[in-house]
Amino acid sequence: EAQVTQNPRYLITVTGKKLTVTCSQNMNHEYMSWYRQDPGLGLRQIYYSMNVEVTDKGDVPEGYKVSRKEKRNFPLILESPSPNQTSLYFCASSFGRGRATEAFFGQGTRLTVV
Amino acid sequence: LAKTTQPISMDSYEGQEVNITCSHNNIATNDYITWYQQFPSQGPRFIIQGYKTKVTNEVASLFIPADRKSSTLSLPRVSLSDTAVYYCLVGGEDSSYKLIFGSGTRLLVRP
Repeated sequence: EAQVTQNPRYLITVTGKKLTVTCSQNMNHEYMSWYRQDPGLGLRQIYYSMNVEVTDKGDVPEGYKVSRKEKRNFPLILESPSPNQTSLYFCASSFGRGRATEAFFGQGTRLTVV
Repeated sequence: LAKTTQPISMDSYEGQEVNITCSHNNIATNDYITWYQQFPSQGPRFIIQGYKTKVTNEVASLFIPADRKSSTLSLPRVSLSDTAVYYCLVGGEDSSYKLIFGSGTRLLVRP
């Protein structure tokens, strides 16, 4: 089954404790990205990757890091989480190449930073 | 990426047809129109995409007039499970990796 898998689904952590949210897709997609969703602010892009070892900032990259060492994986790293990073996070992937294509989203990771 | 405008919310009843219109006056020649559905605490799900005229799949229809400055998502015979937020997005190749979501339309289907 074609899917984007995020882990964990729920996470409560303390300020400053480094964490990683994993994202994996099994569709051989080149494009992957991370979004956060907050009430009243909607979905906003954090980082995206157009291929292995190619990443770029989205609209709200501060406080986040990403890496794309393999095509299928695109982890989101919070080196020193702060309470303002409490949010619902989504990973997405798409094929791309020459036209707008359908994006597939993961189930989401609800992060709480206390 | 073209900006889109859609109603904030809509109400309907089970079994009715629902039409959600999206305005995108600055759509570019290479832009496609894509609609996503999102249930609470779930990731958005692709519904339908089109470039011009009409597109239909098993879930919905998308009507795009000749000037492409607007589009209408049509959901036939909605059920309670269609209660969700619907987003209209407009973009070309770059929208494959950079989706810009507006506020969407919150559809409430009543029994």
